[in-house]
Order: sequence, then structure tokens, then C-alpha cells
Amino acid sequence: EVQLMESGGDLVQPGGSLRLSCAASGFTFGIYWMQWVRQPPGKGLEWVSHINGVGTETTYADSVKGRFTISRDNAKNTVYLQMNSLRAEDTAVYYCARDNSGIDYWGQGILVTVSS
Amino acid sequence: DVVMTQSPLSLPVTLGQPASISCRSSQSLVHSNGNTYLNWYQQRPGQSPRRLIYKVSNRESGVPDRFSGSGSGTDFTLKISRVEAEDVGVYYCMQGTHWPPWTFGQGTKVEIK
Repeated sequence: EVQLMESGGDLVQPGGSLRLSCAASGFTFGIYWMQWVRQPPGKGLEWVSHINGVGTETTYADSVKGRFTISRDNAKNTVYLQMNSLRAEDTAVYYCARDNSGIDYWGQGILVTVSS
Repeated sequence: DVVMTQSPLSLPVTLGQPASISCRSSQSLVHSNGNTYLNWYQQRPGQSPRRLIYKVSNRESGVPDRFSGSGSGTDFTLKISRVEAEDVGVYYCMQGTHWPPWTFGQGTKVEIK
């Protein structure tokens, strides 16, 4: 069974940093692209970032480019999202997701709140 | 960026009646490899999204056959043949042909009348 488990969400002040982790299990992690998608409270889904299977290709939404960094450790079956210079508008539930002709599996989500 | 436009944004439906959601893209979603990467997701209240349909019309394993997807090019439709109470939630289309970014529709909220 595919499982994706996010961790690391917290309340952080504007300008602060946070690192999200996503532990994957139930599939051969290293052959799949992984994605991060976020959902502000009461709003729709927004794609954030992707990374290929070996970690050599990454892309970002314009809204987070230069502030967020995606990475992965295939030995630990884990994908990360390093978030710096956080803003109030980054407040959202962040989902880790597996890409297989588009996203097929989603984690349960983790809340990040940016507020003073 | 490809803009995905869903309609309606709110869909009150009577139990047992059909429902239909439209998703239009600002450019054709046909990839150079011939595939069309248009997926549909269901997000029940308080839950993570779940993929229902991939590549326009392929139903995920375990998804009831009352859900179906159709369309081509820039116009796509998700249909529920007979709405059940468990179908309440928000439905999103998402394109994965022209990336980055992957883009979602605004969501359609399905509720029971």
C-alpha cells in the first residue's frame, strides 16, 4: 500500500524558515517523480514544486521560486521541502504527492501557518 | 501557463440524479507523445484529494463505475451517473501536459439538495 506521511509543519513568523519532510513507503521510491502541492485554508489546490526520481531536475511555482528548495534522499525514501523567507500567503496545508501520469497518491497533508 | 476553468463552481444535486462538471483548458492538452494528461480528483470534506480519473477517461482502481471522464483537446467532462451521499465534496481537474507549472481548476463543490 502506497503511503506518504508529511511532517515538520508548524507556526512560524514571517521571514522564518521551515523544512517539511515526506516519508514514503509501499512503492519503489527512486523511480517516481515527487510533487508538493499546497491548499490555503478554504481555497483550492496550488502546485508548488516537483523533483525527478534521481533528484537532478527540479521545478517551482513562480510564487515560491528562490525561496523554497525541494530535495530527496532515496536511501531514506524521503522528499523534503525547505521553505525560507516565509510569508503570510504561504499559510496552507502542504501535501506531498507521487507523480504517475499526474499525481496519483497524496499524503494526509501538514499545516504550515505563517503569522506573527 | 495553462489556465484550467471549471464550471459550475457549485453543483447542488438530488440523490440518485446525474451530475456533470466541465473543465476547459486555455490550450490543447494533447502531449507530443499523443497522451492527454488531464486528471480528475475528488476531495471529500476534511480529506486529502483522491484521483478518480487519469488521462481523460481512465478510472482509478476502486473508483465506482458511476464516475466517468470524457473529452479531448481543450474540453473535458466528469460525469457522475447517479449521485450518492458519499460523493459530496470538491472536484478538481488538473493538467500535466504543459509543465511547469502543473495547474488545477478552481474546484467544483458538489452538494446534496
